[in-house]
Amino acid sequence: GQQLNQSPQSMFIQEGEDVSMNCTSSSIFNTWLWYKQDPGEGPVLLIALYKAGELTSNGRLTAQFGITRKDSFLNISASIPSDVGIYFCAVLRGNQFYFGTGTSLTVIP
Amino acid sequence: NAGVTQTPKFQVLKTGQSMTLQCAQDMNHEYMSWYRQDPGMGLRLIHYSVGAGITDQGEVPNGYNVSRSTTEDFPLRLLSAAPSQTSVYFCASTGANSPLHFGNGTRLTVT
Repeated sequence: GQQLNQSPQSMFIQEGEDVSMNCTSSSIFNTWLWYKQDPGEGPVLLIALYKAGELTSNGRLTAQFGITRKDSFLNISASIPSDVGIYFCAVLRGNQFYFGTGTSLTVIP
Repeated sequence: NAGVTQTPKFQVLKTGQSMTLQCAQDMNHEYMSWYRQDPGMGLRLIHYSVGAGITDQGEVPNGYNVSRSTTEDFPLRLLSAAPSQTSVYFCASTGANSPLHFGNGTRLTVT
């Protein structure tokens, strides 16, 4: 499989703080995706990136597709309690989606 | 739209038992897939299908079978359950210009 290294593995932050997480690979990919998984549910797509260097926002979330096409990062600004969950990066190669190991986010009110 | 529906939500099996995890989607998606989620391992692809009658193996296919007789359904079969198959299983589907949609998972425990 394709190894995607996500960091950090977990984060504990105060409500209102900004969050940054990233995902790296030794291989080049043309599509990077960020998903969020709420407790007890399936992952849901947050942001999709299709072009190297692309910076895309979705509300308080901002994601960038690295210029080398081997990495991506996700930022969350002014965190709120409902941001809690597991965040996954994912890439597409051929017909297969590969997921990172996830970043678990806890927001302390 | 119901999206991707998985049944059952929870299941406990004894080692050696067989069972089928059901997955159905009502979005007319051609692509369907099964993942397992284990702590610290992320989501790993078990099997996938790009259309009715077509299936292929993912990263961790051993111990699992699939079939795709219709566009809507993609069941996952465990022929002889093992404790190593204790996991949360997710079905996901996608179509043209559509993100990967996930079901809410089946939590399987094999004792």
